[in-house]
Amino acid sequence: ETGVTQTPRHLVMGMTNKKSLKCEQHLGHNAMYWYKQSAKKPLELMFVYNFKEQTENNSVPSRFSPECPNSSHLFLHLHTLQPEDSALYLCASSQDPNTDTQYFGPGTRLTVL
Amino acid sequence: QQQVKQSPQSLIVQKGGISIINCAYENTAFDYFPWYQQFPGKGPALLIAIRPDVSEKKEGRFTISFNKSAKQFSLHIMDSQPGDSATYFCAASDNNAGNMLTFGGGTRLMVKP
Repeated sequence: ETGVTQTPRHLVMGMTNKKSLKCEQHLGHNAMYWYKQSAKKPLELMFVYNFKEQTENNSVPSRFSPECPNSSHLFLHLHTLQPEDSALYLCASSQDPNTDTQYFGPGTRLTVL
Repeated sequence: QQQVKQSPQSLIVQKGGISIINCAYENTAFDYFPWYQQFPGKGPALLIAIRPDVSEKKEGRFTISFNKSAKQFSLHIMDSQPGDSATYFCAASDNNAGNMLTFGGGTRLMVKP
């Protein structure tokens, strides 16, 4: 069973709302990732954190704001989203960014009305 | 620009048959090629992976075939079972560029009893 948990599992929000997605990994890893999974599109890497420092921002709009207070927790703060932002948001972790295996959480299914 | 192209998008196989999923990549710097399996409501899970120093890797019923000159790799599922029904993603990364995974578009496999 995955050592990466995500909450909430489902979220419906209006375009003017502010919400946050939470990810926690129990694997002792140092790198954490946010991915976006949309229907009929490949998994898109959004952000990478290594030892709490952001090392990758894959041209993500500023309405998505990540936060990594420690190596075990990762947040994605959402504000003024658009309907096209509706997707499954997946968190993953790995021992470090140079380690091949990434372990994914179950995702948060986000619907923006 | 999609750097990893995956086909087919969907696949139906009879129980006991062989499922074959193909991926092609463009970036010759890629040096790690994993396959992920995703069940509904779950995050992707690493299934099997290969590096370009070998042309084939087998783990149980799952085999990766790798053709470096053609920049292609494929997943073969032998004796396919209904429990194999899932979405499969190929991916690729360059260890010298931070090991960021680039995913294919996914293949939805259905194994009929």
